[in-house]
Amino acid sequence: DAKTTQPNSMESNEEEPVHLPCNHSTISGTDYIHWYRQLPSQGPEYVIHGLTSNVNNRMASLAIAEDRKSSTLILHRATLRDAAVYYCILTSAGGTSYGKLTFGQGTILTVHP
Amino acid sequence: DVKVTQSSRYLVKRTGEKVFLECVQDMDHENMFWYRQDPGLGLRLIYFSYDVKMKEKGDIPEGYSVSREKKERFSLILESASTNQTSMYLCASSSASSGLRSPLHFGNGTRLTVT
Repeated sequence: DAKTTQPNSMESNEEEPVHLPCNHSTISGTDYIHWYRQLPSQGPEYVIHGLTSNVNNRMASLAIAEDRKSSTLILHRATLRDAAVYYCILTSAGGTSYGKLTFGQGTILTVHP
Repeated sequence: DVKVTQSSRYLVKRTGEKVFLECVQDMDHENMFWYRQDPGLGLRLIYFSYDVKMKEKGDIPEGYSVSREKKERFSLILESASTNQTSMYLCASSSASSGLRSPLHFGNGTRLTVT
């Protein structure tokens, strides 16, 4: 399965933009890039996903490199409620791995008031 | 909104006991998953199911089994609980209609302690 690499932790100030990077150099042509976040004492929460083009939704934006070997989750104005662990994940296609998500360590985002 | 409900938030069991963790989703999702989450190890997939009575092993199925008799319910079974199964257990579901694009919807987890 293709793997992702994220920084262990990042910090931001409230109301500033946050760019969370993810490397996935072994991504295959059919893999989707998903981002989830996990707030304390809760299960992970879906944030956004994409394949090739940049994506926007009410929570965040996803910028995908042209070669698809990396992507960046963008929180346009961080709030204290955005403090969480952020996971960058690839969906695996084919065989018994179809649809299976593999979660790595994620990035712990700290937001300062 | 999709709701994934795990029957217990906290559970304490003794070594050797048979443990059932229940998960119910209300959105008619075909896919259901069981993960465990441990500090430093992230989320690891135990088992998943694409349909009623179907199951597939994940990355760490040893010591676990699952049951999916109804579409909305996916149970994780620890046949003989051991202390190394102390963990946070997370259930998730997703729709099969969007294939690889389908987001997972997670429950809030069951923190199991085996003493």
